[in-house]
Amino acid sequence: EDQVTQSPEALRLQEGESSSLNCSYTVSGLRGLFWYRQDPGKGPEFLFTLYSAGEEKEKERLKATLTKKESFLHITAPKPEDSATYLCAVNTNAGKSTFGDGTTLTVKP
Amino acid sequence: EPEVTQTPSHQVTQMGQEVILRCVPISNHLYFYWYRQILGQKVEFLVSFYNNEISEKSEIFDDQFSVERPDGSNFTLKIRSTKLEDSAMYFCASGGTVYSNQPQHFGDGTRLSIL
Repeated sequence: EDQVTQSPEALRLQEGESSSLNCSYTVSGLRGLFWYRQDPGKGPEFLFTLYSAGEEKEKERLKATLTKKESFLHITAPKPEDSATYLCAVNTNAGKSTFGDGTTLTVKP
Repeated sequence: EPEVTQTPSHQVTQMGQEVILRCVPISNHLYFYWYRQILGQKVEFLVSFYNNEISEKSEIFDDQFSVERPDGSNFTLKIRSTKLEDSAMYFCASGGTVYSNQPQHFGDGTRLSIL
């Protein structure tokens, strides 16, 4: 059975304090790994797709990396508006995505 | 930027009643999905739909659930006889102009409350 584990569950940072979120996975056939941002009461908002180990993607203060067992979402100099829940999902056969529990990030000014 | 839209945003229904949740996917996407998120829990896959048929479904998606793409633009999820445990946020997603492992884009969900 596909499994996705995200850590930490919650992360509190001061504005400007860089950190990383972890997503470790066990799947039978990885066809892609997605990172999403979810704000309260909203649907997941797509951030990145990573397809193979060694791949990296960047967008503003966020950078996602992928190995054969885990992915990291690095947040550089975060701002309060980066506060949200960050979700990791692995994509397998027929497009099914299995999600982790998420990391809730709070950035204090 | 194109987006997935879902209606209604909130649906309140008596246990045992049928509900239909509606979605308009992004127009050039080929793959369609329903997920649910029970309050405080993770997003769970329900079903994927491609070329007018179900391509995969989870254990949650039992005989009480069905999906349809009735007119080439809407994508619906029907729950025939709702139970209390069906209360959740239901998200529609669409993705893939070619392949099913292209990014999935989500709507803002329908909050389903069963009384």
